[in-house]
Amino acid sequence: SQTIHQWPATLVQPVGSPLSLECTVEGTSNPNLYWYRQAAGRGLQLLFYSVGIGQISSEVPQNLSASRPQDRQFILSSKKLLLSDSGFYLCAWSAFSPNQPQHFGDGTRLSIL
Amino acid sequence: GESVGLHLPTLSVQEGDNSIINCAYSNSASDYFIWYKQESGKGPQFIIDIRSNMDKRQGQRVTVLLNKTVKHLSLQIAATQPGDSAVYFCAERDSTLGRLYFGRGTQLTVWP
Repeated sequence: SQTIHQWPATLVQPVGSPLSLECTVEGTSNPNLYWYRQAAGRGLQLLFYSVGIGQISSEVPQNLSASRPQDRQFILSSKKLLLSDSGFYLCAWSAFSPNQPQHFGDGTRLSIL
Repeated sequence: GESVGLHLPTLSVQEGDNSIINCAYSNSASDYFIWYKQESGKGPQFIIDIRSNMDKRQGQRVTVLLNKTVKHLSLQIAATQPGDSAVYFCAERDSTLGRLYFGRGTQLTVWP
């Protein structure tokens, strides 16, 4: 069966520090991969998605970037964190074919001090 | 912006009763819909999905109904249990853009 792993589960970082959140998927090949941010009491905001290695689409302009160095690895990064980057970050995967659900990891709670 | 919304942000039910969570959407190009359950501190968990060529789909204790005429989606949970307490999200897929849009969520609380 397929599984998705995100780490770390929680992270506290100072303003201006770099960020690297990692997500890996097991049990499937060529998945679509996604990074979302979820604000408290709000829906999910899509940040980035990827349909293949090295292919990244950005949904909103921001202080973050994403990379996909391997088929089942998706990384969310920042060179200098802002206070507004605090939030709950979720990685998800879906099968390459259309009309397939996205499956989420358990997220990273990021707090910027 | 999001085109998926919810009629009620919170829903409280007694254990054993049936729960109905509603969702409205406005995009005529949406062709696929999903319900997710999110427990505190965890990621959303897939519950059930339905394609636009269907009106109803049933799973274990859950039923999703789709009314395309009024652009309304509902999730019915039979014999609600305390473990069902969570935030429930609906999501719609835009067939032209190929991406999902998520609603804000409904907090379901089950009382013993």
